[in-house]
Amino acid sequence: ELKVEQNPLFLSMQEGKNYTIYCNYSTTSDRLYWYRQDPGKSLESLFVLLSNGAVKQEGRLMASLDTKARLSTLHITAAVHDLSATYFCAVGPLGGQNFVFGPGTRLSVLP
Amino acid sequence: SAVISQKPSRDICQRGTSLTIQCQVDSQVTMMFWYRQQPGQSLTLIATANQGSEATYESGFVIDKFPISRPNLTFSTLTVSNMSPEDSSIYLCSVSPGTSFYEQYFGPGTRLTVT
Repeated sequence: ELKVEQNPLFLSMQEGKNYTIYCNYSTTSDRLYWYRQDPGKSLESLFVLLSNGAVKQEGRLMASLDTKARLSTLHITAAVHDLSATYFCAVGPLGGQNFVFGPGTRLSVLP
Repeated sequence: SAVISQKPSRDICQRGTSLTIQCQVDSQVTMMFWYRQQPGQSLTLIATANQGSEATYESGFVIDKFPISRPNLTFSTLTVSNMSPEDSSIYLCSVSPGTSFYEQYFGPGTRLTVT
């Protein structure tokens, strides 16, 4: 059974600082997704990572995937308050169409 | 991407009643999914609904409690039956346009409170 973990679950950081959120999963997968959810809102797709070594960047966020280690990272550079949200990683099992979501990381960026 | 709408956006229901949630997409999609997000929690997949076939339910979810319809390629409904306070959650539908990497786009969600 595919299990997805994230850490930390809660992250409070100062504006301007850098930090990394980790997502690891238990079985082989070829697809990993990052989503953002603002309070009371739905999920916004951030990144889709499809191959080992994939790296994608959008603004202050950069995501990478290491399929051998079954690990993805979401790196935040020079955080700003607008990045405050909950970030979910989701993993697609090999041959499957569904996702398994991690527990989410609740990020709070303080001025 | 796809534009997804859900109705209702929120509702407060009495214990023992049922609520049907509608999900409408602006384009034809092969796969639609229903998720539950309990307060402060992550998303849990309830079922996968493909047009022309019975929905496939995940472990812990049964058709009698969560019947799903998928009459065409742009629409689906999820019914939450015989509700109890434990059913209070956000229910989200998502769609996959059918690309090779199965990216999913999410609707705005339906916030359900059962009293």
